[in-house]
This record gives sequence, structure tokens and C-alpha cells, in this order.
Amino acid sequence: AQSVTQLGSHVSVSEGALVLLRCNYSSSVPPYLFWYVQYPNQGLQLLLKYTSAATLVKGINGFEAEFKKSETSFHLTKPSAHMSDAAEYFCAVSGTGANNLFFGTGTRLTVIP
Amino acid sequence: NAGVTQTPKFRVLKTGQSMTLLCAQDMNHEYMYWYRQDPGMGLRLIHYSVGEGTTAKGEVPDGYNVSRLKKQNFLLGLESAAPSQTSVYFCASRDRTYNEQFFGPGTRLTVL
Repeated sequence: AQSVTQLGSHVSVSEGALVLLRCNYSSSVPPYLFWYVQYPNQGLQLLLKYTSAATLVKGINGFEAEFKKSETSFHLTKPSAHMSDAAEYFCAVSGTGANNLFFGTGTRLTVIP
Repeated sequence: NAGVTQTPKFRVLKTGQSMTLLCAQDMNHEYMYWYRQDPGMGLRLIHYSVGEGTTAKGEVPDGYNVSRLKKQNFLLGLESAAPSQTSVYFCASRDRTYNEQFFGPGTRLTVL
């Protein structure tokens, strides 16, 4: 079975500070992992994905995530937060077959000027 | 390409009314999904389809029906709406080979 836990439903950072959003997964098969971003009143947009190639994955808007199998983690980071990063972020893990994406409950990121 | 589109964007229903939400994609994707998003609960899968004429239940299917008569369209129906179905509904699609799902902009439904 696959599941995702996102630690912290709300995270606040100052503009220019490091962004760290945490995601731990559980998977009975080698996982594909995803981070999606949702801006207010919009759909979900893919930030980045891990598909068993490089363990450090770079995405859009300066975000990156590192797959750590020993820690079953896939935390999302960005060195310097911008006001435009304020959004909700979802981590997801794939399972097998077509019914295949399991989402975490989301982390709302607030950027303080 | 428009990607994934959803109709309508907003809707208010009274308890017991019915409605259909339409999802359309122009990427020739085989798989399509309906999710609902509720505060603090992330996205939960309602129903999905692996091809024209096929549908399957997801995590929270009760009170909903779906149909996939054409490959590009996936309809979500509420036969008798209840206040518990107040939510934001998202449609998504993906290619059979790749795991990335592409999402529509959502439909905000309120049931009074």
C-alpha cells in the first residue's frame, strides 16, 4: 500500500529564507514521487517528480527535492523564498495500476515580507 | 492545446438536486480521474477511467456516478446532492505510460 505524510499543515517563512516542506512516504513498491503546487483558486501544477533516476530532482521555480530511501523521505526545498511562492503544496506517491496517485493532506506556505 | 478543462467553474445546488460536471482533455490521454478536495484532507479519488466505456470506483465513490462515452470526456454526476458533497472537484488525466497527472482548474460546488 502507498501513503504520504506531510508534516506541518502550515509553514511560514520570511522572504529570502530557506523553504523546507516535509514529505514522508510509504510504499510497497519502488515509488514514483511527486510534488504539486496549487495557487489560490487554481488547479494543481506539477513542480517536480522522482522516477528512480537521480535522487536529487530539480523542478520549476527554483524548487528541488531529494529522495532518501533510508529515511523514506522526499522533502521539498528552495534556497530563497519569494512572495510568489505562497501556495499550497502537495506531495504524492504513485502506486501500481491506473488508480495510482496518493496525495498527502497538503502544506500551506506563507511568505512574510 | 487547452489541456484539461472543466465545466462549470462554480455551482450552487439545493439538497436533492442533480447535476453533471464535465471534464474534457485534448491530450489523447487514456486515463482520467475525478477527485474532491476538502480542507485538511488533500485530494481524494472519487472515480477513474482507464479508457472509453470503462469506469472504476476510487476511495470515496458513494453518491457519485461517472461515464466515459468518449475518450476525451469524463462526466461526474450527482443524482441527489447532499451538503456533504460541498467541495472543490478536480478532474485529471494522464497517459497510460507516464505517471504524471494533468489537472483541470476545478469546480467549486456548494450544496445548501
